[in-house]
Amino acid sequence: EAQVTQNPRYLITVTGKKLTVTCSQNMNHEYMSWYRQDPGLGLRQIYYSMNVEVTDKGDVPEGYKVSRKEKRNFPLILESPSPNQTSLYFCASSQIPQETQYFGPGTRLLVL
Amino acid sequence: AQKVTQAQTEISVVEKEDVTLDCVYETRDTTYYLFWYKQPPSGELVFLIRRNSFDEQNEISGRYSWNFQKSTSSFNFTITASQVVDSAVYFCALSERVGGTSYGKLTFGQGTILTVHP
Repeated sequence: EAQVTQNPRYLITVTGKKLTVTCSQNMNHEYMSWYRQDPGLGLRQIYYSMNVEVTDKGDVPEGYKVSRKEKRNFPLILESPSPNQTSLYFCASSQIPQETQYFGPGTRLLVL
Repeated sequence: AQKVTQAQTEISVVEKEDVTLDCVYETRDTTYYLFWYKQPPSGELVFLIRRNSFDEQNEISGRYSWNFQKSTSSFNFTITASQVVDSAVYFCALSERVGGTSYGKLTFGQGTILTVHP
């Protein structure tokens, strides 16, 4: 089954404790992207990747890192999480960005 | 910079009413892509439609229809004879080239919360 998976689905952590949210797709898509969703702000793009080893900033990249060492995986790294990074995070993929994006189920993060 | 505005924060209708969700976008590019996504209460994001800037034909899919007008930079979404299952948050999104090369940057509107009452 074609899908985008994210782990964990729910995470509670404390300020400053490094964490990684994994994202994996099984569709051999070249394009992958991370978004955060906050009430009243919609979805905002954090980072995207056009292919392996090719990443670029979206609208809200501060405080986040990404890597794309393999085509299927695109982890989101919070080196030193802060409470303002409490949000719902979505990973998405598509063959090319103009195409329909397939979204993961979301990761709800709470930073205390 | 690209921008997408969904001016209607919340809409409430009674079942069987028609409802239109507005989407206005800004872009300097001549080639771009527009999307609508649905987010039901369960939280997942569901693709509804994709439209490129060269295709201004309106589209109908069952009870859903979309009106794309480049002259007013709008891509509105109409649900005919709404049903309770249509209750969701609906997002409009725009993809345009960044630096003249890729369409990687995607901008979403703030979303419209639609509630359909029985």
